[in-house]
Amino acid sequence: EIVLTQSPGTLSLSPGERATLSCRASRSVSSSYLTWYQQKPGQAPRLLIYGASSRATGIPERFSGSGSGTDFTLTISRLEPEDFAVYYCQQYDSSVLTFGGGTKVEI
Amino acid sequence: QVQLQESGPGLVKPSETLSLTCTVSGASISSYYWNWIRQTPGKGLEWIGYISYSGSSKYNPSLKSRVTMSVDTSKNHFSLKVTSVTAADTAVYYCGRWSSSWHGYDNWGQGTPVTVSS
Repeated sequence: EIVLTQSPGTLSLSPGERATLSCRASRSVSSSYLTWYQQKPGQAPRLLIYGASSRATGIPERFSGSGSGTDFTLTISRLEPEDFAVYYCQQYDSSVLTFGGGTKVEI
Repeated sequence: QVQLQESGPGLVKPSETLSLTCTVSGASISSYYWNWIRQTPGKGLEWIGYISYSGSSKYNPSLKSRVTMSVDTSKNHFSLKVTSVTAADTAVYYCGRWSSSWHGYDNWGQGTPVTVSS
C-alpha cells in the first residue's frame, strides 16, 4: 500500500499568515486520486481539495493544492480563525485507500 | 441535503462482533459507493472498505478476514460487521459517501465511538 507522510506534524501560525502543508507518498500517486480534508474537533473530515488542485464546492479561494508524483502541497494563503484545524491527505490507488497522519495547524 | 447517520452499540466485548448501520437520507443509496472509515488517536484515519448498491464490495486487506458489509436498498442503509474484535478496534467509526468525480468522501456521518472492553 502507498504510505502518505505529512509534515510538519504541527504548524504554529497566526491569523493572516500563510500555511504550507506537505504530503509525501511512498510511491507515485495519480494526481486525480490525491485529496485533502480539514477536520475540526468533534467533527467528521470535510473535503477541501480533489484531484490534487481542484477546490470542492464552497471551499474558499485561499485554499489551494499543488503537486504531482510523490510530493503534494496544500497552501492556505491567509489563515482565518476558522482554518485552525487538522488537515489530512488521502490517496486511492485502486487497491487500498490510505490517509496521511495529519498536520495540525494551531494558533 | 445528503445526511448520513451511524447507529449501533457503543460498547462491544472482546472476541464479539461489532455491528453498525449507516442510514442515508436526502440521496438514494442506489448510486455511489458507500464506505466505512475509522479513526483512532494512534493510527489516525483508516479505510475499512466500501459497498455499492449492487452489493459489490472491497475491503482493506488488513481487515478483510474480519469485515463484512451489506446494503439494504429498501431501507436506504448499509451496514458493517467486524468479527473477533479486540481493543485495537476501539475507534470512532464513520460512514462516508464516495464521490467518483472527486475521488474522495463528499459526505460523512457524524461518527460513532465504539469501545471494545469487557
